[in-house]
Amino acid sequence: EAQVTQNPRYLITVTGKKLTVTCSQNMNHEYMSWYRQDPGLGLRQIYYSMNVEVTDKGDVPEGYKVSRKEKRNFPLILESPSPNQTSLYFCASSLSAGVYGYTFGSGTRLTVV
Amino acid sequence: QQQVKQSPQSLIVQKGGISIINCAYENTAFDYFPWYQQFPGKGPALLIAIRPDVSEKKEGRFTISFNKSAKQFSLHIMDSQPGDSATYFCAASSRETSGSRLTFGEGTQLTVNP
Repeated sequence: EAQVTQNPRYLITVTGKKLTVTCSQNMNHEYMSWYRQDPGLGLRQIYYSMNVEVTDKGDVPEGYKVSRKEKRNFPLILESPSPNQTSLYFCASSLSAGVYGYTFGSGTRLTVV
Repeated sequence: QQQVKQSPQSLIVQKGGISIINCAYENTAFDYFPWYQQFPGKGPALLIAIRPDVSEKKEGRFTISFNKSAKQFSLHIMDSQPGDSATYFCAASSRETSGSRLTFGEGTQLTVNP
């Protein structure tokens, strides 16, 4: 089944403890992106990647890092999480950004206390 | 700064009625306008999309109307069903950034009563 897989689905962590949210797609998509969803704000782009080793900032990149060493994987790294990063995170992929729709993962609900 | 403004925030419709969600944008370089549907506990899923060279696109009960001069576009759901109850997001992207920057509206929570 073609899908985007995120792990974990739920995570509660403490301020300052580094964490990684993994994202993997099995559709050979070139484009991948991370979004955060907050009530009343919709989805806001954190980082995106047009291809392997090519990443760039979205609208809200502060406090996040990404890497794209393989085509299928695009992990999101929070080096020192803070409470304002409590949110619902989605990874998405597309065969070609702006031409085809995005396939989203099921989301990761992160709580930072 | 929200580049795509969506309204209403929530909408309640009776079964069989028409649901209408509106979006407005500022960036005239936007050239791809998709709508996404999100059910609780799931990621958004592409519903329908339009490009500015047409004023309307219909897929089943779902229609996008596009007004380039007003910089507005809307989603119409005809014969709304309880199964349509979900959160709907409009979005836009620009060829200038190779479509890499998909900007979403704030979302509309639709409830269709039986």
